[in-house]
Amino acid sequence: GDSVTQMEGPVTLSEEAFLTINCTYTATGYPSLFWYVQYPGEGLQLLLKATKADDKGSNKGFEATYRKETTSFHLEKGSVQVSDSAVYFCALSDHGGATNKLIFGTGTLLAVQP
Amino acid sequence: GAVVSQHPSWVICKSGTSVKIECRSLDFQATTMFWYRQFPKQSLMLMATSNEGSKATYEQGVEKDKFLINHASLTLSTLTVTSAHPEDSSFYICSACRSSNQPQHFGDGTRLSIL
Repeated sequence: GDSVTQMEGPVTLSEEAFLTINCTYTATGYPSLFWYVQYPGEGLQLLLKATKADDKGSNKGFEATYRKETTSFHLEKGSVQVSDSAVYFCALSDHGGATNKLIFGTGTLLAVQP
Repeated sequence: GAVVSQHPSWVICKSGTSVKIECRSLDFQATTMFWYRQFPKQSLMLMATSNEGSKATYEQGVEKDKFLINHASLTLSTLTVTSAHPEDSSFYICSACRSSNQPQHFGDGTRLSIL
């Protein structure tokens, strides 16, 4: 079945450092790919998405490019801030299904130190 | 915007009681709502998909008699954890979407602690 694999955390960075969180997927169809962010004690917020190969999603300085050839959707940010500390989830939605069910990776905790 | 409200945000109760969690779409009509469970430091696991006016579809391994889901209107779905026990303690999150091909919008979650 479809699945999402993302790098384990925690990832600890200093403020203004470069961030990469790896995400790879397996899917039988042509999924849409998402990054969600979860701040402590809260639900999930959509950070960015890409719906087809070579699309780049971007928001709040974060970027991820849908790479079909490597089945990857790595999250990057050039300069992280303390306020970026959160758990980041990579997810896919397979359009072939009857509903837009989301399959999540295990999440990566990012801790940014001042 | 698309706002989803969950209530309560935190509940503590004794073992054996039933707990109801509400999920409301505040500014849109949600034909489909999803219920997830999240264990500490783990990912979200889909429990069930709820369509307005019909029975929920449960994922494999989720007891439908234990986790009762009702989606009686286009703005409200409820999850009732019946005869809750300490192992049911978890973070429950709902999401809602306008239709099956629209993005999911998530609530802030409900932390359930069973003593």
